[in-house]
Amino acid sequence: EAQVTQNPRYLITVTGKKLTVTCSQNMNHEYMSWYRQDPGLGLRQIYYSMNVEVTDKGDVPEGYKVSRKEKRNFPLILESPSPNQTSLYFCASTRSRDTLFEQYFGPGTRLTVT
Amino acid sequence: AQKVTQAQTEISVVEKEDVTLDCVYETRDTTYYLFWYKQPPSGELVFLIRRNSFDEQNEISGRYSWNFQKSTSSFNFTITASQVVDSAVYFCALSEWVMNRDDKIIFGKGTRLHILP
Repeated sequence: EAQVTQNPRYLITVTGKKLTVTCSQNMNHEYMSWYRQDPGLGLRQIYYSMNVEVTDKGDVPEGYKVSRKEKRNFPLILESPSPNQTSLYFCASTRSRDTLFEQYFGPGTRLTVT
Repeated sequence: AQKVTQAQTEISVVEKEDVTLDCVYETRDTTYYLFWYKQPPSGELVFLIRRNSFDEQNEISGRYSWNFQKSTSSFNFTITASQVVDSAVYFCALSEWVMNRDDKIIFGKGTRLHILP
């Protein structure tokens, strides 16, 4: 079954404790991205990757890091989480730039930073 | 700069009524893509449609239809004969398409649609 998986689905952590949210897709997609969803702000793109070893900033990259060492994985790293990073995070993938907007989304990760 | 405005924060209609969700966009480019996503209460995001800036034909898919008008920079979404299962948050989004440039996607803030039985 074609899917995007994220782990963990729920996470409560404390300020400053490094964490990683994993994202994996099994569709051999080139393009992957991370979004955060906040009430009243909709979805905002954090980082995206057009292929292995190619990543770039979205609209709200501050406080986040990503890596794309393998095509299927695109982890989101919060080196020193802060309460303003409490949010619902979505990973997404699409086959290539040409199909950019037919994105498959993961189920979401709800992160709470206290 | 790119911008997507969904002025309707929340809409409630009675089942079987038609409802239109508005989306107005701003872009400096002539080539761009627009799309709609649905987020039901379960939280996942579901792709609904993509349109490119050169194709102004309206599209119909079952009870869903989309009206793209470049003259007013709008890409409105209409649900005909709404059903309770249509209750969700709907996002409109935009991305410009320029070679050798970044591919940021800008989402609107979403419209929460309640279909009342």
